[in-house]
Amino acid sequence: DAKTTQPTSMDCAEGRAANLPCNHSTISGNEYVYWYRQIHSQGPQYIIHGLKNNETNEMASLIITEDRKSSTLILPHATLRDTAVYYCIVRVANTGFQKLVFGTGTRLLVSP
Amino acid sequence: NAGVTQTPKFQVLKTGQSMTLQCAQDMNHEYMSWYRQDPGMGLRLIHYSVGAGITDQGEVPNGYNVSRSTTEDFPLRLLSAAPSQTSVYFCASSTPPDTQYFGPGTRLTVL
Repeated sequence: DAKTTQPTSMDCAEGRAANLPCNHSTISGNEYVYWYRQIHSQGPQYIIHGLKNNETNEMASLIITEDRKSSTLILPHATLRDTAVYYCIVRVANTGFQKLVFGTGTRLLVSP
Repeated sequence: NAGVTQTPKFQVLKTGQSMTLQCAQDMNHEYMSWYRQDPGMGLRLIHYSVGAGITDQGEVPNGYNVSRSTTEDFPLRLLSAAPSQTSVYFCASSTPPDTQYFGPGTRLTVL
């Protein structure tokens, strides 16, 4: 799986958009970008994933650059409950089981 | 859908005791797995299953057993608890192409 680089921490005011960047310059053509988060003391939570098109679901939007070397996770209206560590993972989406490996992630703090 | 459920939420054991951590999912997922997460650390895969009757070892399987008799359930057995097994245990389920959904975790302390 390609290596990813994320900022260690970010702050965001409640109600504002949180934009979390991820660099994955060695990504291969068949690798997807996945985002998970882990709120303190809870199990990891899947957020969104994409290959090359921008994706949106009820939780977030994922913007992938045209060269696919970086992406941004957008939480459009951050709430205090979005305070968590966010992990960007690049991996091939195939039919076999793959263990989940988190890097260090970005610790997002949403403040009132 | 309850998703992935785990019981108990908390457990304290004495060294040498055995116990079973329960995990169930109601999403009809083929894949289920167990991870442990030590304080400030990432996830480490203990065992996984790609279907009923099929299990395989992850990266830290020693001291743990699993079985998968049904699609829904994937219990993790600690054979003889040791202090090194103090951790938070997460069960996950997934279906190809492998978006994993996690349970709330079991916090285990071995004295």
